[in-house]
Amino acid sequence: EPEVTQTPSHQVTQMGQEVILRCVPISNHLYFYWYRQILGQKVEFLVSFYNNEISEKSEIFDDQFSVERPDGSNFTLKIRSTKLEDSAMYFCASSDSGRAQYFGPGTRLLVL
Amino acid sequence: AQRVTQPEKLLSVFKGAPVELKCNYSYSGSPELFWYVQYSRQRLQLLLRHISRESIKGFTADLNKGETSFHLKKPFAQEEDSAMYYCALSGLNAGNMLTFGGGTRLMVKP
Repeated sequence: EPEVTQTPSHQVTQMGQEVILRCVPISNHLYFYWYRQILGQKVEFLVSFYNNEISEKSEIFDDQFSVERPDGSNFTLKIRSTKLEDSAMYFCASSDSGRAQYFGPGTRLLVL
Repeated sequence: AQRVTQPEKLLSVFKGAPVELKCNYSYSGSPELFWYVQYSRQRLQLLLRHISRESIKGFTADLNKGETSFHLKKPFAQEEDSAMYYCALSGLNAGNMLTFGGGTRLMVKP
């Protein structure tokens, strides 16, 4: 059964550095999402992407965040200048119909 | 604003006992409701969606619009059901974001 994959599984970075989190959605899916979960808190929506543009974003998704689908398979989340509070588990998800979403295993980001 | 509340952070039952994981929501309109499960060290997996009205792994959930609830039930818990369970909702438009509850950890004791 096809699955969403994410790389890396863990990332440690220094405050102020840029990070790129990578996702490969399920191949015939058209809707893509990023969520994050700070330790001990709820899973929070960041952004959704459809037809090569952002369709919805939360207030968390400020100017330091960006998303891109550079080719036909990858979907990336870039954090330009990381802050301590960006430490979280970041989940990518994809959907064929825009309804049920299928999640990747997550990238654990630690900002020091 | 849309919100999902799972009042129990932890639910502990014995094997063979019935299980009910509570989920209440608020949403101005007709939402779509989901249950996701996360086994230890694994990804979030879609367990149920109210539209499909299925029973998966013995779990069922009924949308009660009057009580704005979508409780997850299983008549006889198994040890392998031990996991984190998340209730989530989205709007009915394609591509809508998911809003998650805080999750309930289910522990099924032998």
